[in-house]
Amino acid sequence: TQLLEQSPQFLSIQEGENLTVYCNSSSVFSSLQWYRQEPGEGPVLLVTVVTGGEVKKLKRLTFQFGDARKDSSLHITAAQPGDTGLYLCAGLRGSQGNLIFGKGTKLSVKP
Amino acid sequence: EAGVTQFPSHSVIEKGQTVTLRCDPISGHDNLYWYRRVMGKEIKFLLHFVKESKQDESGMPNNRFLAERTGGTYSTLKVQPAELEDSGVYFCASSQERLAGVSYEQYFGPGTRLTVT
Repeated sequence: TQLLEQSPQFLSIQEGENLTVYCNSSSVFSSLQWYRQEPGEGPVLLVTVVTGGEVKKLKRLTFQFGDARKDSSLHITAAQPGDTGLYLCAGLRGSQGNLIFGKGTKLSVKP
Repeated sequence: EAGVTQFPSHSVIEKGQTVTLRCDPISGHDNLYWYRRVMGKEIKFLLHFVKESKQDESGMPNNRFLAERTGGTYSTLKVQPAELEDSGVYFCASSQERLAGVSYEQYFGPGTRLTVT
C-alpha cells in the first residue's frame, strides 16, 4: 500500500502553460517536502511545508500544504523547458527521520 | 563544500554474487540514510544511522543486506548474496544533527544503480 499518492504520473505540456501536481495521503504528516530529480542525480530539495494551510512560493512555483496536513500541491506558472524533470513529494511522520516518498511526476515541457 | 558521494555509480553483478556500496556523507553530518528505488516503485527507506549507531533499520528487506558505519563517517551497504529483485537505484542521504525533534534537510547522493542479472 502506497502511503503518498502522487498525480499525475506523467505530464507533457507546452512552454508557457500552467500545471499542478498533487500529493495525497490518508495519513497526517509533520512536514511535507518537494524534491526535483534530474537523470543520474539524487533528489534535490525545493521546499518544506510544515503548517497546515501553509503556502510557499519559489519564483514560478507555488507549494501548498493541506489544512489537515495530509495532502500537498505544487503549481507551476508559465512552465519553461528548464522545469523538465521528476518532481517528488516526501513526508515526515512524527519524530521519525526517514522520508516517505510518492512515486513522482515526470514533467516534460516542450519549447 | 563537497556533497554526498556514492561509489560505484553503477554495478552489474550476477545473481549470487556480493556487492558493496559506499556512501560518503557531507562532513559533519551525523545522520546518514539509505534509500532504494526499484523500477516502477517509489523511493523507499532502508535504514538510518546516527553517527555509528543504527537508529532505525525497519526498512531493510532481509538479512542479505548489511549496513555499517564504522567511526561514524562513511557507510557501506553490502548485499550478499544478491538476488534479481535487489536491482534498483540505491540512494544515500545525510543531514546534520537533529535538535529537539526537528529534522533537517536531507542531502542526497547521486545514487548507485545496481543491476543483478
